[in-house]
Amino acid sequence: EAQVTQNPRYLITVTGKKLTVTCSQNMNHEYMSWYRQDPGLGLRQIYYSMNVEVTDKGDVPEGYKVSRKEKRNFPLILESPSPNQTSLYFCASSSNYPTSGRPYEQYFGPGTRLTVT
Amino acid sequence: AQKITQTQPGMFVQEKEAVTLDCTYDTSDPSYGLFWYKQPSSGEMIFLIYQGSYDQQNATEGRYSLNFQKARKSANLVISASQLGDSAMYFCAMREGHLVAGGTSYGKLTFGQGTILTVHP
Repeated sequence: EAQVTQNPRYLITVTGKKLTVTCSQNMNHEYMSWYRQDPGLGLRQIYYSMNVEVTDKGDVPEGYKVSRKEKRNFPLILESPSPNQTSLYFCASSSNYPTSGRPYEQYFGPGTRLTVT
Repeated sequence: AQKITQTQPGMFVQEKEAVTLDCTYDTSDPSYGLFWYKQPSSGEMIFLIYQGSYDQQNATEGRYSLNFQKARKSANLVISASQLGDSAMYFCAMREGHLVAGGTSYGKLTFGQGTILTVHP
């Protein structure tokens, strides 16, 4: 089954304790992206990757790091989490060379609810 | 400037009635895709419907239809025969495409603020 998986799904942590949220896709997609969702703001892009070893900042990159060493994985790293990073996080992927009828579609993971106290 | 605007923070509809959720967008790119997603209380993002900028016909997917008015830059979602299970947050989103050598480079997905739909029995 084609899917994007994220782990963990729920995480409560304390300020300053480094954490990593993993994201993996099995669709051989080149493009991967991280979003955060906050009330009244919709989803905003944190970082994205056009392909392996190619990453770039989105709209709200401060406090986050990413890496793309393999095509299928795109982990999100919070080196020193702070309470303002409490949010719902989504990973998404898409093909740079789509063949389906919805060429712009991104496929979303189930989300990770992060609480930083 | 907001690229996607959803002006209705909350909407109420009676079960079995139709409801329209508004969305306007702003882009200077001729190539783009418009999406609607449903987010139930469990949090996952569920794809509902897609409209390409060059599509001549309005998109339909079961009870969902997209009222695409390109000149007005609006992409309203119409849900017919509302059901209690339609109660959720709904997001409008746009993804722009830029022609590059060899094809199209797809940009980020830009979301509106969302509309909470409540269906009353």
